[in-house]
Amino acid sequence: EAGVTQFPSHSVIEKGQTVTLRCDPISGHDNLYWYRRVMGKEIKFLLHFVKESKQDESGMPNNRFLAERTGGTYSTLKVQPAELEDSGVYFCASSQYRTEAFFGQGTRLTVV
Amino acid sequence: GQNIDQPTEMTATEGAIVQINCTYQTSGFNGLFWYQQHAGEAPTFLSYNVLDGLEEKGRFSSFLSRSKGYSYLLLKELQMKDSASYLCAVRDADDYKLSFGAGTTVTVRA
Repeated sequence: EAGVTQFPSHSVIEKGQTVTLRCDPISGHDNLYWYRRVMGKEIKFLLHFVKESKQDESGMPNNRFLAERTGGTYSTLKVQPAELEDSGVYFCASSQYRTEAFFGQGTRLTVV
Repeated sequence: GQNIDQPTEMTATEGAIVQINCTYQTSGFNGLFWYQQHAGEAPTFLSYNVLDGLEEKGRFSSFLSRSKGYSYLLLKELQMKDSASYLCAVRDADDYKLSFGAGTTVTVRA
């Protein structure tokens, strides 16, 4: 069974540009989460989808971040325009109801 | 919100035992998780506690005391491949999102 996959694994962009991160959850997992780890800090929650609906987006830093999960399958997280402080590792995780979350390997985003 | 504390680093010898403590103060609780993360890789699920007591899974065991807001992960018969970051995470009662500690880097020496 394929795990959670994320694309790209690394991205280097200039300040002001747009970047779109993609997450493919484990097939059949209704819950999809985005998390972020900035340098030297703990992993922090960004938002939670149940199928295609946003259950909780309280962790989204600001309106430069837009997450979608059309059709309740894969999800994208777009940052537009990117700022220096957006640099970090973005993790996606998926789970069935009440079970443990399975994480992807993350996308390392560097904004220069 | 959640406040989760764990030591930054620990070093131990191959074959030894290491105990990683985690304390938490939370506004809601629906289980505590331990994840292992090797550099550049995905966090991997190790254990889950929702009731008080000890959960054993091979060389790894995890303990929870909800009244004390305390958990530990016990790694026995340490192997070099156990060198990694270990993440303590508390699951929210309402939304099931995880709040993480900063992680404990364990280094196993020969």
